[in-house]
Amino acid sequence: GAVVSQHPSWVICKSGTSVKIECRSLDFQATTMFWYRQFPKQSLMLMATSNEGSKATYEQGVEKDKFLINHASLTLSTLTVTSAHPEDSSFYICSVGTRASTDTQYFGPGTRLTVL
Amino acid sequence: GENVEQHPSTLSVQEGDSAVIKCTYSDSASNYFPWYKQELGKRPQLIIDIRSNVGEKKDQRIAVTLNKTAKHFSLHITETQPEDSAVYFCAAQAGSSASKIIFGSGTRLSIRP
Repeated sequence: GAVVSQHPSWVICKSGTSVKIECRSLDFQATTMFWYRQFPKQSLMLMATSNEGSKATYEQGVEKDKFLINHASLTLSTLTVTSAHPEDSSFYICSVGTRASTDTQYFGPGTRLTVL
Repeated sequence: GENVEQHPSTLSVQEGDSAVIKCTYSDSASNYFPWYKQELGKRPQLIIDIRSNVGEKKDQRIAVTLNKTAKHFSLHITETQPEDSAVYFCAAQAGSSASKIIFGSGTRLSIRP
């Protein structure tokens, strides 16, 4: 399967600062990337769908001005949590997909964000 | 949009016994149903999947069944082992891998020695 990396794997920041998380597809071209958020003992909740070269599509209830997504190339998507607050502390996971026949998406290892 | 419901939320079984997790989905356009195993602090790992043109699929101790008419699908783990302890998520997806996956709420499976 495809290899997907995320950076950083964990980050601790002060309230009010912004944090950027990178998701990279290392060995194939990802036309679509997805960003999920997972709070402790909960499921993965889709935040947004990111298509290369176009604006991201956000799920209902997700603030697009707070969670900035950039998908500038077929191998990189970034999620920036702006003006982070303690309630943004969560596990952020990306996944990538292609328009190939396979339905499988490939998940990154996740980024643990802690906002103090 | 799609809504996936999963039961039970927790499940404890004796080692060697079988475990069954059930899910329902709402969108008849969904045609791909993956199951993921997630260990604490790690990414979800795909363990088995089924497409809507198939009613059952088996891979060693793991099997999945799909009832398209009722919009039900289930995961069956036989001869459970301690390493099967984890959180399991069902999911539903419509279209290709470029389509979003909607996850169920998860089942925490514990295997008693």
